Amino acid sequence: QSALTQPPSASGSPGQSVAISCTGTSNDVGGYNYVSWYQHHPGKAPKLIIFEVSNRPSGVPDRFSASKSGNTASLTVSGLQAEDEADYYCASYADSNIWVFGGGTTLTVL
Amino acid sequence: QVQLVQSGAVVKKTGASVKVSCKVSGYTITDYYMHWVRQAPGQGLEWMGRINPKNGDTDFGHKFQVGVTMTRDTSINTAYMELRKLRSDDTAVYYCARLNDYNAFDLWGQGTMVTVSS
Repeated sequence: QSALTQPPSASGSPGQSVAISCTGTSNDVGGYNYVSWYQHHPGKAPKLIIFEVSNRPSGVPDRFSASKSGNTASLTVSGLQAEDEADYYCASYADSNIWVFGGGTTLTVL
Repeated sequence: QVQLVQSGAVVKKTGASVKVSCKVSGYTITDYYMHWVRQAPGQGLEWMGRINPKNGDTDFGHKFQVGVTMTRDTSINTAYMELRKLRSDDTAVYYCARLNDYNAFDLWGQGTMVTVSS
């Protein structure tokens, strides 16, 4: 099972919006609505920010939104803030009780 | 308090084994699947496998179908991940993570650094 494909890096200025893509196949992203997104600051545990493609857990700002089209999921961070600078990972259920993560995207707030 | 607390950092020799523990607090371990994820230095998150704490059934990523064992002790609400025949490229931070009812990893341990050296 190959990792989902994410751009290695993304950037934006404070207040701007940035989108991060996550491309898989019909066996994972395209086949199930079990795509989730995680924010990971170095040295800390990853934090769930989106579940089931587009849902935010309680406490996650609505600046974080996500969607899916075909085999590609996308995370959008609007109104960028300095604390949004982190690594972002997508994850998806794949066939046969397997899960897969994306390669990760480092978001830089300029 | 709902949390996962992992065992501490370890240094192992090549070829040795390591067993990482993940203590569940605030809920009953049998209520949710427990997954294990690792992150090698400079690399991304990598899914290793999962255990159903109710019956001990496991599933593994292709890369981890040999050399990895996942177990649990429900009497002490603790999950374990053992990695055998360690190689240098097993050097990584290992996380346990709970999969919730919405098929997302909503609770993570603090991570355990495993360093493998010759």
